[in-house]
Amino acid sequence: DVKVTQSSRYLVKRTGEKVFLECVQDMDHENMFWYRQDPGLGLRLIYFSYDVKMKEKGDIPEGYSVSREKKERFSLILESASTNQTSMYLCASSSPGQGRIGNTIYFGEGSWLTVV
Amino acid sequence: GQQLNQSPQSMFIQEGEDVSMNCTSSSIFNTWLWYKQDPGEGPVLLIALYKAGELTSNGRLTAQFGITRKDSFLNISASIPSDVGIYFCAGQDYTGNQFYFGTGTSLTVIP
Repeated sequence: DVKVTQSSRYLVKRTGEKVFLECVQDMDHENMFWYRQDPGLGLRLIYFSYDVKMKEKGDIPEGYSVSREKKERFSLILESASTNQTSMYLCASSSPGQGRIGNTIYFGEGSWLTVV
Repeated sequence: GQQLNQSPQSMFIQEGEDVSMNCTSSSIFNTWLWYKQDPGEGPVLLIALYKAGELTSNGRLTAQFGITRKDSFLNISASIPSDVGIYFCAGQDYTGNQFYFGTGTSLTVIP
C-alpha cells in the first residue's frame, strides 16, 4: 500500500517558535509537495521538490522553508510561527511527469497546527 | 496557481439517492483524479483517470475524463451515510509535475 506519513498530527506552538513538520514517503517518488488547506481556500501549494536538495516555491512560500536531504523525506519549516499560519498542512508525493501520463498524487494524513 | 471550478459546493441528499458532481478547468489536463476527505483526515484517492473519454468505476463510484480534457465528473450511486465528506477533483498538467485542485463538494447524506 502507498504510504505518506506525517510525523505530527496535532501541534500547538507559540508565536515566534520554530516549527518542523516532517513527511516520509515509501514509494520512491521523486516529487514531494507541501500544501496548506484552509476553509474556503482549498489546497494551496507552499513548496515542492522534484529531487533531493531541489526545491521550488509554490503559490504561498512566504514564512516557510523546506528541506529535502533524502529522497523519501521532505520537511516543512516555519522559521518563526505566526497565528496566521494556523492551518491544516498536507504533505504529498508523486512520480515525475515529463509527458508521462498515469501519475497520481498521494497525500499524508495531515498535520493540524495551531499557533497561539 | 490555477484552481479548478468544482460544482456544486455542497449537497444535502437522502440516503439511497444518486449524486453527481463535476470539475472544469481552463487548461487541458493529462490526468484527472478524484479524492474524498473525511474531517480532520488527509484526502484519499477514489478514482484516477488517464485518457480522454475514459469511464472508470470503483464500487458505487463512477468517474469520467471529459473528451475535451478540460472536465471530469464523479457520480455516486445509492448513497449511504458513510459517503459523507468532502470530495474534490485534481488535474495534472502536461508537464506531469504540477497538480491543480477543485475547491471541493461537501456531501451530507440524510438517513
